[in-house]
Amino acid sequence: GQQVMQIPQYQHVQEGEDFTTYCNSSTTLSNIQWYKQRPGGHPVFLIQLVKSGEVKKQKRLTFQFGEAKKNSSLHITATQTTDVGTYFCAGEVNNAGNMLTFGGGTRLMVKP
Amino acid sequence: DTGVSQDPRHKITKRGQNVTFRCDPISEHNRLYWYRQTLGQGPEFLTYFQNEAQLEKSRLLSDRFSAERPKGSFSTLEIQRTEQGDSAMYLCASTNHILTLVLDTEAFFGQGTRLTVV
Repeated sequence: GQQVMQIPQYQHVQEGEDFTTYCNSSTTLSNIQWYKQRPGGHPVFLIQLVKSGEVKKQKRLTFQFGEAKKNSSLHITATQTTDVGTYFCAGEVNNAGNMLTFGGGTRLMVKP
Repeated sequence: DTGVSQDPRHKITKRGQNVTFRCDPISEHNRLYWYRQTLGQGPEFLTYFQNEAQLEKSRLLSDRFSAERPKGSFSTLEIQRTEQGDSAMYLCASTNHILTLVLDTEAFFGQGTRLTVV
């Protein structure tokens, strides 16, 4: 079955440093979504990428979807303590919106 | 509150007992999903409904699990004869697929029901 892997599993950074998490799928995806889950909270949607090679930005966050639509990355510039949480990628295979396959997540910890 | 709500937030049960969870999706959303999340892992898909029809079930979902959405609004997830391995956070999410031409499948998650089987 489809698998979605994320690295690293954990990342400690000093406030102000950059952070990147990488997502790889075993199968080609129709689209990929990114979610953030704060400690004790639930996943909250950040963005959806659909096109091959697509890049989207949200303030300090930059999201990329690979040319082959099998990998993606999230880069945060100049991290802040409010960025703390676990970032999940979630892939969809057939555009039917019937299920998401989540990666294991990258837990980001930011030291002030 | 217009978000997805789940009840109860926490449930502790003895092994072998049955439990039932409820999810109320965002009112205009026609799709409802159940996911399970264990500590340190991403959510795992269990099943989903389009209106009242259950359209897909994960192979992970054993026969002890059953879900319903009788009127196409709220949904229930029942686990019979609970086992310790069922301990997890059970997340419900909803999406709006009325405008199906738009790739807009953002999932809105509820706060989850944390199940502990002792």
